[in-house]
Amino acid sequence: GAVVSQHPSWVICKSGTSVKIECRSLDFQATTMFWYRQFPKQSLMLMATSNEGSKATYEQGVEKDKFLINHASLTLSTLTVTSAHPEDSSFYICSARSPFGRPKETQYFGPGTRLLVL
Amino acid sequence: QKEVEQDPGPLSVPEGAIVSLNCTYSNSAFQYFMWYRQYSRKGPELLMYTYSSGNKEDGRFTAQVDKSSKYISLFIRDSQPSDSATYLCATKTGANNLFFGTGTRLTVIP
Repeated sequence: GAVVSQHPSWVICKSGTSVKIECRSLDFQATTMFWYRQFPKQSLMLMATSNEGSKATYEQGVEKDKFLINHASLTLSTLTVTSAHPEDSSFYICSARSPFGRPKETQYFGPGTRLLVL
Repeated sequence: QKEVEQDPGPLSVPEGAIVSLNCTYSNSAFQYFMWYRQYSRKGPELLMYTYSSGNKEDGRFTAQVDKSSKYISLFIRDSQPSDSATYLCATKTGANNLFFGTGTRLTVIP
């Protein structure tokens, strides 16, 4: 149980285009999902916390107009990187908080999406 | 000061060695302590968790928390090449967000 999927697993796009990444909790409902970014050989950096039915909470330094987050259902959150630039190239990972995990309310991570902006 | 400090390594050990991975944290309110394993180009997977102080064992893995010194450890016995990954410690209070260490890259050499 507690499986989280992400789609796509990797994407290459031209500078200036927008990219949408989906995060789904497959076997549980997640009222809260998280989006992280990870640069090579670095740890996870929390970008935003996404609550179903409300606006996402962004971490300091993360542009909310550039990284649009939508959490329209209890099993789906999307991250859209708008007008992507090469510096946005990174590994984007989502996680979902499970009410049934051990410990309760723990986070389960998706497999990540590798974004390369040319 | 970061919430969680972790030696980034890298750490290389021969197969069969005992591995010790460590973190320190600053907030005494943290209650849950977790270890995630992340293989290259994959998302982190929850490996072990501990609530409050004490030890927890799962097969070759032992998680240890000492709240008096704010010290978190993960021991891997009889390490295998398949254990080669980045290990991230994490901690939180109740239902709040996770605070991650920077991760330690471990390589187990056959």
